[in-house]
Amino acid sequence: QVQLQESGPGLVKPSETVSLTCAVSGYSIGSAYYWGWIRQPPGKGLEWIGTFYHGGSTYFNPSLESRVTISLETSKNQFSLELRSVTAADTAVYFCGRGIVGATGGFDYWGQGTLVTVSS
Amino acid sequence: QSALTQPASVSGSPGQSITISCTGSSSDIGGYNYISWYQQHPGKAPKLMIFDVSKRPSGVSNRFSASKSGNTASLTISGLQAEDEADYYCSSYTSSSTVIFGGGTKLTVL
Repeated sequence: QVQLQESGPGLVKPSETVSLTCAVSGYSIGSAYYWGWIRQPPGKGLEWIGTFYHGGSTYFNPSLESRVTISLETSKNQFSLELRSVTAADTAVYFCGRGIVGATGGFDYWGQGTLVTVSS
Repeated sequence: QSALTQPASVSGSPGQSITISCTGSSSDIGGYNYISWYQQHPGKAPKLMIFDVSKRPSGVSNRFSASKSGNTASLTISGLQAEDEADYYCSSYTSSSTVIFGGGTKLTVL
């Protein structure tokens, strides 16, 4: 059974960098076409952050592109998100997702989400 | 990139059918068949209900169906059940190789 589990600091100060990890079990991270991160501010809708494709291509939400990095760690079967220079507007539940096998854009397996709060 | 447009809320009685629309542009919905729909219950992760416009993942009830016409995608839920009450989000691949979500629709089962 495919499972994804996010982990991160929970609380981050403004202007700092938040690093999140998505540990994948039940599936080889090298087998999927793409992996991604999505976030959801409290009480609001889903916002796509970025996607890492097999082969190393990455695409990001234009509003976040200058502050985001996504990378894969195949030896640990996990991938990570780095978001720099955070502000209160980055407070959200962050989800990781597996790209739909045989499709494009969507995510078929999601982690349960991890709340990141930006506050001093 | 602006979010796809969904109605903020829809409602229906048990057993009835409802349809949720999702409007974009020729750069996303109108240009690709990479449209997904997600169901999200409070405090839970989104669940994929539809992908590639109208395909259902294994395990998703056939009460859920979807289609696309021009720049608008639609999700229909037939035989409404209490457990269908949730937020629903559409998403689409775009011409910039990005992904865009709709603003979400709250479904209330009366």
